[in-house]
Order: sequence, then C-alpha cells, then structure tokens
Amino acid sequence: QKEVEQNSGPLSVPEGAIASLNCTYSDRGSQSFFWYRQYSGKSPELIMFIYSNGDKEDGRFTAQLNKASQYVSLLIRDSQPSDSATYLCAVPASKIIFGSGTRLSIRP
Amino acid sequence: DAGITQSPRHKVTETGTPVTLRCHQTENHRYMYWYRQDPGHGLRLIHYSYGVKDTDKGEVSDGYSVSRSKTEDFLLTLESATSSQTSVYFCAISEDSGTTWFGPGTRLTVT
Repeated sequence: QKEVEQNSGPLSVPEGAIASLNCTYSDRGSQSFFWYRQYSGKSPELIMFIYSNGDKEDGRFTAQLNKASQYVSLLIRDSQPSDSATYLCAVPASKIIFGSGTRLSIRP
Repeated sequence: DAGITQSPRHKVTETGTPVTLRCHQTENHRYMYWYRQDPGHGLRLIHYSYGVKDTDKGEVSDGYSVSRSKTEDFLLTLESATSSQTSVYFCAISEDSGTTWFGPGTRLTVT
C-alpha cells in the first residue's frame, strides 16, 4: 500500500458545482496534511493545510480531515475553469510524501 | 513567493555527459529536496537534505548525487546522463512544520 493515495482522475465537474478531491494515508501518526495545486507546466503551489480533525475553510476551499478513517479531502465550491489543475495531497514525515495527484477539469 | 530559484531552467544534453542542476534559496530553511516529475508517476523524491552536508536518498536516487555545502545551495548531479533521466526536476524547501515550497523547475532533455 502506498503511503499516500489519490484517485488519478480525471475528475470532470461542471462550472459552479462542488469538486470533491480525496486522499488516504497509511501512517496513523501523521499530524498535518497539505493540499497543493499544480497547473500544467508549472510547479506545485500550496493552497491549504490542516492539522486538526474536522473542517478548515479558506474562501471557496474547504479541507476536511478524518484521522480515524485516515482520509483528508478538499472541497472546492463554485468551481471555476481556473480551478482546472492537478491537486496533490502531501503528508510530512521524515520527508514530505506526496500522492500522485488528481487531475481536475472544470467544464463550462 | 518563497525565494527559490533553479538553474538552468532548460537544458539539453547528450547521453553520457555529467549534468549539475542548482537550487538556491533565500529563506534559510533547513530542509531541501530534489524531485523529478514524469507523466504517470507524480512527484518522486530523488534526494533530500536536512542541513549542511547532511543528505539522504529518496526513492529514485540511482544515477544521482547531491551536495550541500551551504544552507542556501543544493546541487543535483547526474553523473552520466541517460535518456531515462529526461524529466522535469523540482527543487523544494520546507520549514520544520513541513510546509513546503517549490522552485520553478528545470526541464532536462537527454538525447
């Protein structure tokens, strides 16, 4: 089992809808989780981090963490075409471990 | 944006030649990383550093070496480039919390 797993997609969502991206992790001791967005041909950029169980909201983005079930998700409300990108989940350990990313496509 | 630069940004080289990629940071962060990214493989860790002269291997370290003689610089060397090392290389830095920032990337083509 990979340490961090994501559905590679592509995930296609209509404009204005909610996009839901999921990530599972294997290390029960993990304390913090990060979401990165990567546009084609660009480097990943940090968009959200979460440390505590529950939800964390930042604008149209909400990160959700469930440590008992070992998953973290990212919700994007009112999806825009500019949200089309690959989203990477990351878990810091002795080194940063990234999932393989989910490609999100917002269709007009 | 975090102060990370990579050089060169693009390079074409021939099989068998040595290549060195440079990562430079102005943030004074302890941790520095080299990743490669290829279609279908996501980000794969090559080597990382947790301090000056302190480095360790990642999951795809064969054929690569690194050096860190100063906090701000982390060098990645391909000892004898092969076509399988054609990739986009990202340097990253992180603080103790794990928050990580990426450089702009280097596109390397080995012919």
